[in-house]
Amino acid sequence: DIQMTQSPSTLSASVGDRVTITCRASQSINSWLAWYQQKPGKAPKLLIYKASSLESGVPSRFSGSGSGTEFTLIISSLQPDDFATYYCQQYDSYSSFGQGTKVEIK
Amino acid sequence: QVQLQESGPGLVKPSQTLSLSCTVSGGSISSGGYYWSWIRQHPGQGLEWIGYIYYIGSTYYNPSLKSRINISVDTSKNQFSLKLRSVTAADTALYYCARGEAAGPVFDYWGQGSLVTVSS
Repeated sequence: DIQMTQSPSTLSASVGDRVTITCRASQSINSWLAWYQQKPGKAPKLLIYKASSLESGVPSRFSGSGSGTEFTLIISSLQPDDFATYYCQQYDSYSSFGQGTKVEIK
Repeated sequence: QVQLQESGPGLVKPSQTLSLSCTVSGGSISSGGYYWSWIRQHPGQGLEWIGYIYYIGSTYYNPSLKSRINISVDTSKNQFSLKLRSVTAADTALYYCARGEAAGPVFDYWGQGSLVTVSS
C-alpha cells in the first residue's frame, strides 16, 4: 500500500498569506497526485490533478507541483473562502489519501 | 451536470451487512470512461478509498477491506452499490459515492454522503 503523509496537519494563516501544504508518498507515484478541498458538512472538491493540472473552474491562486514522492499545494493569496481542509490523493496504485491539512484563521 | 445520490439505512447492527446504493443522474454509467467509486470518512477524520467499479463490472478494492466488500453496478437503473459485510463500530462513517475519471481515477463528482452508524 502507498502511504500518503501531509504536513502540517494544521496551518494558521491570514487572508492574503501565501500557503504551502506538502504531501509525501511512501514510494514514487510519478505525477499521479490530486488535491481536494473539503469544507465542513460538504463533500470534497477536486482542485488539482496530475500534480499540477488545475481543475476547470478552480481559481488560479491554487497551484500544485512535484513528482515522484514529494508534492506541494500552494495558495498564492489566501482568501476567506479558502479556509478548509485539504487532502492529497495518490492514484498510481489504486488510491489512497493523505490525512488532511486544516487551514484555519490566524 | 452529473449528480450522485447515496441511499440506504442509516443504522446497521454489528455483524450485519451494510448496503448502500448510489443513483447517478445527468450522465450514463454505461457510457464508459469513469470508475464509479465509494469513499468513506470516519467522524472527524480523513478520507478512505473503499473501491470502485467500471461499467462492465471490473472492480478494484482497497486491500484492507477487500475480504468484506462487494461493489456492483446496475446499468439499467444507472446505479451502483456497496455491500460491506460483518460490520463493526469501526465501520461507522460518512459514506460517499463519487465518479472517478478512468485515467486516474480522480474524483470529480461526489454525492452528499450518507452517514451509517453501526450500533446494536
